[in-house]
Amino acid sequence: GQNIDQPTEMTATEGAIVQINCTYQTSGFNGLFWYQQHAGEAPTFLSYNVLDGLEEKGRFSSFLSRSKGYSYLLLKELQMKDSASYLCAVIDSNYQLIWGAGTKLIIKP
Amino acid sequence: DADVTQTPRNRITKTGKRIMLECSQTKGHDRMYWYRQDPGLGLRLIYYSFDVKDINKGEISDGYSVSRQAQAKFSLSLESAIPNQTALYFCATAGSGDTGELFFGEGSRLTVL
Repeated sequence: GQNIDQPTEMTATEGAIVQINCTYQTSGFNGLFWYQQHAGEAPTFLSYNVLDGLEEKGRFSSFLSRSKGYSYLLLKELQMKDSASYLCAVIDSNYQLIWGAGTKLIIKP
Repeated sequence: DADVTQTPRNRITKTGKRIMLECSQTKGHDRMYWYRQDPGLGLRLIYYSFDVKDINKGEISDGYSVSRQAQAKFSLSLESAIPNQTALYFCATAGSGDTGELFFGEGSRLTVL
């Protein structure tokens, strides 16, 4: 079967750095997304990785290793508004999107 | 105005009632999707459509049906609602030539009593 694993919940301090990991076992790979979702709201796009390496976008960076079936989302200079769930999703060989259950990130002052 | 609009945003209904959730989009995307989200679970795909005449079942289509009335409209129906269909439902769109990035509606919270 296809599976995406993320930690259920993480806690970090305002101003710090946090890394949210995602491991996947899917039938093929055609890209990986990270989405942010505030409670009760729609997911919004953060990043897309299809090649190995690091993609940086402001305070957020996303890394991919296809050989390891692994990605992480790195959030720097954490702000209270970063408190949200972070969803990892993989496009499989049939171009279907497989979603992880999400990581709830709690930011403390 | 939102590019992907869902109605209603909130609905409480009783077991056995027929419910329709509607989705319309102004992004000009061909691909439209219906997902449900439950606490502790990932987004689960109910149905998707790549064109007006194209309807495909997702992983949890039982108890649901859809209609793609036009490129911009994709409706989800629960013919006879049951309590375990209580969830947050999202419509999403994607362009056929893009990376596959999804654009989500604001969600419809459905409670079945």
